[in-house]
Amino acid sequence: AQSVAQPEDQVNVAEGNPLTVKCTYSVSGNPYLFWYVQYPNRGLQFLLKYITGDNLVKGSYGFEAEFNKSQTSFHLKKPSALVSDSALYFCAVREEAAGNKLTFGGGTRVLVKP
Amino acid sequence: GAVVSQHPSWVICKSGTSVKIECRSLDFQATTMFWYRQFPKQSLMLMATSNEGSKATYEQGVEKDKFLINHASLTLSTLTVTSAHPEDSSFYICSAARLGLATHEQYFGPGTRLTVT
Repeated sequence: AQSVAQPEDQVNVAEGNPLTVKCTYSVSGNPYLFWYVQYPNRGLQFLLKYITGDNLVKGSYGFEAEFNKSQTSFHLKKPSALVSDSALYFCAVREEAAGNKLTFGGGTRVLVKP
Repeated sequence: GAVVSQHPSWVICKSGTSVKIECRSLDFQATTMFWYRQFPKQSLMLMATSNEGSKATYEQGVEKDKFLINHASLTLSTLTVTSAHPEDSSFYICSAARLGLATHEQYFGPGTRLTVT
C-alpha cells in the first residue's frame, strides 16, 4: 500500500526567507510524486510532479522539489517565500501499479509573515 | 486547458433530502473521475473512482448506496448524497484524469461545500 507523511502541520517563515515543506512516502514500486496547493475554500492547484528523470523538479510559482530515493523524500522548496504563498500544501503519491489513484499526505499549512 | 468545474459551489440542504453535485471537464475528455471528501483542516479522502460507462469503485468504508456516482459521459460525473445527514456536511472535491495522455496528473475542481441542517 502507498502512503505519504507530512510531518509538519504548519510551517512559519518570514517573507523573503527560504521555504521548505517536508514529505516522505512509502510505496512498493516506482513512485509518482506530486505537490498541490490549496487556498481557502478552493480546489487543489497542481505545483509540480516527479515521474522519472532529474531528481530536482521545477514547478509553478518558483517552487521546486527534490526526489531522494534513499530517504524516500520529496521535499518542496522555494528560495524566497512570498506572503501570497500562505496556503495549505499537499504531497501526494501514486504507485506505478495503482492506476491513477492518488494518496495524499495530511497537508502542511504554510504561513508567510511580512 | 484542463479545467474542471463543479456545480454547485456550495449548497445547504435539510436532513433527509438528497443533493446532486456535478463535476465537468470543460476542455478535455476524462477517462476517470475521482471524488474526494475533505473535512476542515484535514486532508483529502478518496471516496470513489468513476470510469465512464461503468460502475464506480468505492473505497473501503464509503457507502455506495448513500453516495451515488454516475459517470454518464467523458466530461460529466455526478455525486448524489442521498438522505443527507449533518455528518455528511463536508467539502467535496472532484478530479479528472485526461483521456489519451500519460500526464499522470489529476485536474481538480474547485470543490463543493455541503452543509446539511
